[in-house]
Amino acid sequence: TQLLEQSPQFLSIQEGENLTVYCNSSSVFSSLQWYRQEPGEGPVLLVTVVTGGEVKKLKRLTFQFGDARKDSSLHITAAQPGDTGLYLCAGAGPYNTDKLIFGTGTRLQVFP
Amino acid sequence: GAGVSQSPSNKVTEKGKDVELRCDPISGHTALYWYRQSLGQGLEFLIYFQGNSAPDKSGLPSDRFSAERTGGSVSTLTIQRTQQEDSAVYLCASSSRRDGTYEQYFGPGTRLTVT
Repeated sequence: TQLLEQSPQFLSIQEGENLTVYCNSSSVFSSLQWYRQEPGEGPVLLVTVVTGGEVKKLKRLTFQFGDARKDSSLHITAAQPGDTGLYLCAGAGPYNTDKLIFGTGTRLQVFP
Repeated sequence: GAGVSQSPSNKVTEKGKDVELRCDPISGHTALYWYRQSLGQGLEFLIYFQGNSAPDKSGLPSDRFSAERTGGSVSTLTIQRTQQEDSAVYLCASSSRRDGTYEQYFGPGTRLTVT
């Protein structure tokens, strides 16, 4: 069974701080996606990483896929209250690429 | 273009009644997924469709849960004889293969409350 563990589970920080969220598994994934979910809404896709070692930047967010494609990290620089939400990683494959395995989630609260 | 829509947005039902939840995927998306999310928790996979077929129903919690998809488009999740533990937000997502990956686009969810 493929499992994706995220850490930390909860994170409360002040505006302007940096943070990193980790997504770990013992399984290899063909790709990994990160989503953010705000209260009362469905998750929204932030990024997809495909290649081992790949780094993608989305404004203040930096996503990295591990070399072995078993883990990923999300780093937020100078967090803002608008970053508040539930962050979910999700892995696909390596054999069944049309079904995602979702991580356990990290709930981020950024205080002004 | 239109995103994934779900109806109703909220449903309150009495224990023992049946409910139907509807999902309208993004036009042209071949895959459709149902998830359940309890308060503050992550996503629990229920079932997914490729076209009208369901290759993986492994997440359905019991035989009270069923789903169908017709015409490769609209899907209905049915819960029979609802129980209080069925209370949750039910999320639907659709996707289509792009560059070898399936990126999922979610609807706003249906909040089900069983009293």
